[in-house]
Amino acid sequence: QVQLVQSGPELKKPGASVKVSCKASGYYMKSYGVNWLRQAPGQGPEWLGWINTGSGDATYARDFAGRFVFSLDISVTTAYLLINSLKAEDTAIYYCARLGSGADFAGDDLYFDHWGQGTLVTVS
Amino acid sequence: SYVLTQPPSVSVAPGETARIPCGADNIVTKVVHWYQQRPGQAPILVIQYDTDRPSGIPERFSGSNAGNMATLSISGVEAGDEADYYCQVWDSSSHTTVFGGGTTLTVL
Repeated sequence: QVQLVQSGPELKKPGASVKVSCKASGYYMKSYGVNWLRQAPGQGPEWLGWINTGSGDATYARDFAGRFVFSLDISVTTAYLLINSLKAEDTAIYYCARLGSGADFAGDDLYFDHWGQGTLVTVS
Repeated sequence: SYVLTQPPSVSVAPGETARIPCGADNIVTKVVHWYQQRPGQAPILVIQYDTDRPSGIPERFSGSNAGNMATLSISGVEAGDEADYYCQVWDSSSHTTVFGGGTTLTVL
């Protein structure tokens, strides 16, 4: 079955960096893009962007270009989220999620059919 | 950016039908996806493309989209349906996807 398994919780100081991993299994990773989202306490999810697992190209949502970096190691079927220069407001649960429409999307096709269990990143 | 409005809470008795609205300007021109999130868990896709149920989602879950309102309906509500529910659409003007604020479904 499709599984996305993320790394464990992180506690970081402001200004530090953190790297979250997301290991995919149960499907051919190159056939589905990987998205990154975050959810602050008591709020809805927020989309950070996605990585095309076929080409390795990353696309960032407007508010998340700069400090956020997506990467991929297909050999171990793992996607990564690196957040630099952490701020207190980055405290949230970070999720990876599979692109439901497959390898790419056009607007309305952006939805998330399988999610990782989430990684709590606390900046304090 | 495009704003999706959901009521903070909806309550329904067991066995009744819960209707969770997601309001926005001319939302009928958008494609709406819905997610269920139980406490302490990751979201689960329950409706894609306005009305389609992914495999494994019970037939009790259905979606509709008309005018300025999309609706997630859950018939024969059970205690296990208690969760937060989020609607999601693509906003072409800002090139991003947006989520509603979420609705907490309480089964009385």
